[in-house]
Amino acid sequence: GAVVSQHPSWVICKSGTSVKIECRSLDFQATTMFWYRQFPKQSLMLMATSNEGSKATYEQGVEKDKFLINHASLTLSTLTVTSAHPEDSSFYICSARSGEGVHEQYFGPGTRLTVT
Amino acid sequence: EDKVVQSPLSLVVHEGDTVTLNCSYEVTNFRSLLWYKQEKKAPTFLFMLTSSGIEKKSGRLSSILDKKELFSILNITATQTGDSAIYLCAVEARSGNKLTFGGGTRVLVKP
Repeated sequence: GAVVSQHPSWVICKSGTSVKIECRSLDFQATTMFWYRQFPKQSLMLMATSNEGSKATYEQGVEKDKFLINHASLTLSTLTVTSAHPEDSSFYICSARSGEGVHEQYFGPGTRLTVT
Repeated sequence: EDKVVQSPLSLVVHEGDTVTLNCSYEVTNFRSLLWYKQEKKAPTFLFMLTSSGIEKKSGRLSSILDKKELFSILNITATQTGDSAIYLCAVEARSGNKLTFGGGTRVLVKP
């Protein structure tokens, strides 16, 4: 089956620093990738939709200048959390779509970000 | 705004029990409803439902959609400890191809 990886799997950073998270589709090309955020015991909240070669589409309430998304190739999208604060601590999950159907969306293992 | 509500929030059962998970939704221009299982990290796809009344089945799991009453149920029969997970329901609207997730149901199956 389709595999999506994320790196790093967990990261701890200090307030004010920036952190980059990578999402890769390992055995398929993904024209669309999605970034989600998941707080403890809560569901996945879509942050943005990332299309290869174009600007990401952010959901309402998500600061695009704080959460920079770059989808430079058909297998890689990156999310950079700029000037991180403790409230940005969360579980970030990406997914990549391999085809036209919404069910053809495969999730990465997630990245646990802790901002101290 | 699209909305998905799952119930119960959590439940504890013993091996061999049957569980029924509920998902109700409000979405403009509904296209599909999906169920995922999230054990430790990445959610894995279980079912996609688009038509009312047609049961989807995979082993001990089954699911059905009621587009009139706007809900879906996920059944797990003869539960095993490996069924312990968070089960997520998500809906897709015709516009956008994005998923709106419910809060999930945490299932714990005890030996």
